[in-house]
Amino acid sequence: DTGVSQDPRHKITKRGQNVTFRCDPISEHNRLYWYRQTLGQGPEFLTYFQNEAQLEKSRLLSDRFSAERPKGSFSTLEIQRTEQGDSAMYLCASSRGTDESYNEQFFGPGTRLTVL
Amino acid sequence: GENVEQHPSTLSVQEGDSAVIKCTYSDSASNYFPWYKQELGKRPQLIIDIRSNVGEKKDQRIAVTLNKTAKHFSLHITETQPEDSAVYFCAASSGAGSYQLTFGKGTKLSVIP
Repeated sequence: DTGVSQDPRHKITKRGQNVTFRCDPISEHNRLYWYRQTLGQGPEFLTYFQNEAQLEKSRLLSDRFSAERPKGSFSTLEIQRTEQGDSAMYLCASSRGTDESYNEQFFGPGTRLTVL
Repeated sequence: GENVEQHPSTLSVQEGDSAVIKCTYSDSASNYFPWYKQELGKRPQLIIDIRSNVGEKKDQRIAVTLNKTAKHFSLHITETQPEDSAVYFCAASSGAGSYQLTFGKGTKLSVIP
């Protein structure tokens, strides 16, 4: 499967614990995005990387959230001191190109986080 | 920032009929408008997109129209089939260095056999 992959697919944690998710984009894609989706809502943008540089961060991304893409390939999203309000589906997407012509974003299957 | 409104939130049609979903956006700089289909428990999948330099795009039974002046765009599905049943999301992106997508809240389409 050459699509976007995410790991784990499901994560249950207790409030206050730290969690880390991984995203592997489509191999030739240099842009990588993280979104969060709650039940009955559309995905909400969290952050965006072009290669290894984090170029945009949403106001939704509190200080407890951090994302990295160290070598411009896979990315990790860490949530520290999880809260029940962090429960959601965390989606990763990737796209290729260095200009607007290639803005099609392809989504991974998501990581469903449940904070107890 | 960008704000995308989507209507209706639910839509039921008889198999073979047409379905139309409408979205409005607020940022006049937005220039890319994709539509995603999400089946229950699955990832959003891009079904069609349109850029601001065209007014209409068609792909078999699916078409999208864009009115930049009014800042609205619509998804048209003709000859609906039961497998079209899903949640559909519109989105907008301003590009120009900002590639984030702002999504609508979704439309749950049910095609009744």
